[in-house]
Amino acid sequence: GAVVSQHPSWVICKSGTSVKIECRSLDFQATTMFWYRQFPKQSLMLMATSNEGSKATYEQGVEKDKFLINHASLTLSTLTVTSAHPEDSSFYICSARGRSMEGYGYTFGSGTRLTVV
Amino acid sequence: DQQVKQNSPSLSVQEGRISILNCDYTNSMFDYFLWYKKYPAEGPTFLISISSIKDKNEDGRFTVFLNKSAKHLSLHIVPSQPGDSAVYFCAASGGSNYKLTFGKGTLLTVNP
Repeated sequence: GAVVSQHPSWVICKSGTSVKIECRSLDFQATTMFWYRQFPKQSLMLMATSNEGSKATYEQGVEKDKFLINHASLTLSTLTVTSAHPEDSSFYICSARGRSMEGYGYTFGSGTRLTVV
Repeated sequence: DQQVKQNSPSLSVQEGRISILNCDYTNSMFDYFLWYKKYPAEGPTFLISISSIKDKNEDGRFTVFLNKSAKHLSLHIVPSQPGDSAVYFCAASGGSNYKLTFGKGTLLTVNP
């Protein structure tokens, strides 16, 4: 089946530094990738949608200069949290959809726990 | 504004009994609904879905019911097993952009 690998699974960084999270589709071409954020006991909130080779579309309230998304290839998308602050600490999850997947054939990554100290 | 609501943060049932997880939505444009299961520190895994043209979809022990007039759907798990213990998310989508809106989740605990 479709597999999405997300790395790192957890990261601790100092306030003011940048952190990059990678999401790779291992056995399919991900034409669309979605990035979510989940705070404790909250739902998964969609941050942005990225299509291969084009700029990401951000949801309302998500700062595109702070959360940089790159989807340069059909198998890799990255989310960079720039100048991270403690309030950015959260669980970040990617989801990928490939050309051959019908309808809502999403596959989720395993998530990244980001802690900013 | 929560467009997808799961009003029960937790549910506890005995092994072998039925688990019923509920979900309500407010957006009339939603036409496709999904249930995901999530373990701690892992991404969600797809369980079952239903299109708005149906009112029931069944897959093994899992059945999803949709009541469009009430904007309500439910997931039934029969019989419940301890391995079903996880957080269950209801998600909804409408239109062709495939964006999903999630509820806050319900923690299901199945006791042996």
